[in-house]
Amino acid sequence: NAGVTQTPKFQVLKTGQSMTLQCAQDMNHEYMSWYRQDPGMGLRLIHYSVGAGITDQGEVPNGYNVSRSTTEDFPLRLLSAAPSQTSVYFCASSPLAGGPGIGQFFGPGTRLTVL
Amino acid sequence: ELKVEQNPLFLSMQEGKNYTIYCNYSTTSDRLYWYRQDPGKSLESLFVLLSNGAVKQEGRLMASLDTKARLSTLHITAAVHDLSATYFCAVAPMDSNYQLIWGAGTKLIIKP
Repeated sequence: NAGVTQTPKFQVLKTGQSMTLQCAQDMNHEYMSWYRQDPGMGLRLIHYSVGAGITDQGEVPNGYNVSRSTTEDFPLRLLSAAPSQTSVYFCASSPLAGGPGIGQFFGPGTRLTVL
Repeated sequence: ELKVEQNPLFLSMQEGKNYTIYCNYSTTSDRLYWYRQDPGKSLESLFVLLSNGAVKQEGRLMASLDTKARLSTLHITAAVHDLSATYFCAVAPMDSNYQLIWGAGTKLIIKP
């Protein structure tokens, strides 16, 4: 099993550009989520999904869109990048039973810089 | 506002010593998670605490949960250098248990 994979690992954008961060898991997990991690602030939930076709907003959803057309994939789209979106982005997945994880499995992260 | 507060935020200690990291939260919850993150790496699940009084142990780490006090502790026994990392707690609120609220993390440095 590859677990949770994310691409790209690094990305530099200019203000106003759009892009999609890819996330895939091969563990047949129902729950998937996107977080951003900023220095000194822990992780903040952007969006999450409890199954194909079902998504919902987390703590900081503005400026981001998600979709879940399959169980495996959960892409995160930045609509018009802003410097405030410079961060490290993590995708995570877990079985649904018992809420988000009996321990979530995290991807390796994407380090995004917006100039 | 829902808050999860960890303390200390930074801890430098000697090998062989014992110490405790505290995680206080402001909402009703019966589900708390501890994660570890090495520098520049992803996060790894350590413990899931699912009820009041829950205690989990793995090696030199022991986590406990007191839902009445809204407090979890992560105790390190006879610390070794390999435990150097940042430790996060995260809470699933009772009214929205798919949305974890995270603490800011405790950076632990263990000196030989």
